[in-house]
Amino acid sequence: NAGVTQTPKFQVLKTGQSMTLQCAQDMNHEYMSWYRQDPGMGLRLIHYSVGAGITDQGEVPNGYNVSRSTTEDFPLRLLSAAPSQTSVYFCASSLSAGPRGEQYFGPGTRLTVT
Amino acid sequence: AQSVTQLGSHVSVSEGALVLLRCNYSSSVPPYLFWYVQYPNQGLQLLLKYTSAATLVKGINGFEAEFKKSETSFHLTKPSAHMSDAAEYFCAVSDPSGGYQKVTFGTGTKLQVIP
Repeated sequence: NAGVTQTPKFQVLKTGQSMTLQCAQDMNHEYMSWYRQDPGMGLRLIHYSVGAGITDQGEVPNGYNVSRSTTEDFPLRLLSAAPSQTSVYFCASSLSAGPRGEQYFGPGTRLTVT
Repeated sequence: AQSVTQLGSHVSVSEGALVLLRCNYSSSVPPYLFWYVQYPNQGLQLLLKYTSAATLVKGINGFEAEFKKSETSFHLTKPSAHMSDAAEYFCAVSDPSGGYQKVTFGTGTKLQVIP
């Protein structure tokens, strides 16, 4: 199993550009989530999904869109990048929310917006 | 709303000394609690989890944590630090009142191990 994969690993965007961060898992996990990690702030939940076709907002959803058309994929879209979105982005998945809900994390995407 | 507080953004210990990383949570009902570790330029991996089965939880790499409801704490300990333990550690909470669907992370504690 590859686990959770994320592409790209690094990205530089100009303000106003759009892009999609890709996330895929091959563990047949129902639950997937996106976090951003900023120094001194830990990980903050952006969006999450409890299954194909079902998504919901986390703590910091503004400026980001998600969709979940398959169990395996959970892309994160930045519609109009802003410098405040410079961060490291992690995708995670788990078999389900709850007692088995320990999450498996991807290696991260380091995004810089200039 | 649930929250997690990790006391000390940086902790330094000597090799072989006790490691104690503190975590306090705020939740309306006993939540599920997790400790994750992040090595430089990597994603997070699970160290251990508490899901109400036992208050003392043993994890990987010799770490353990004790759930204390009266103190709303879930501190992480290891009797003897190794150089390889140098990393950032995150406490996280999943609140059953929210259907466990949202996990809140603490701000992290960077552990330095001094030879």
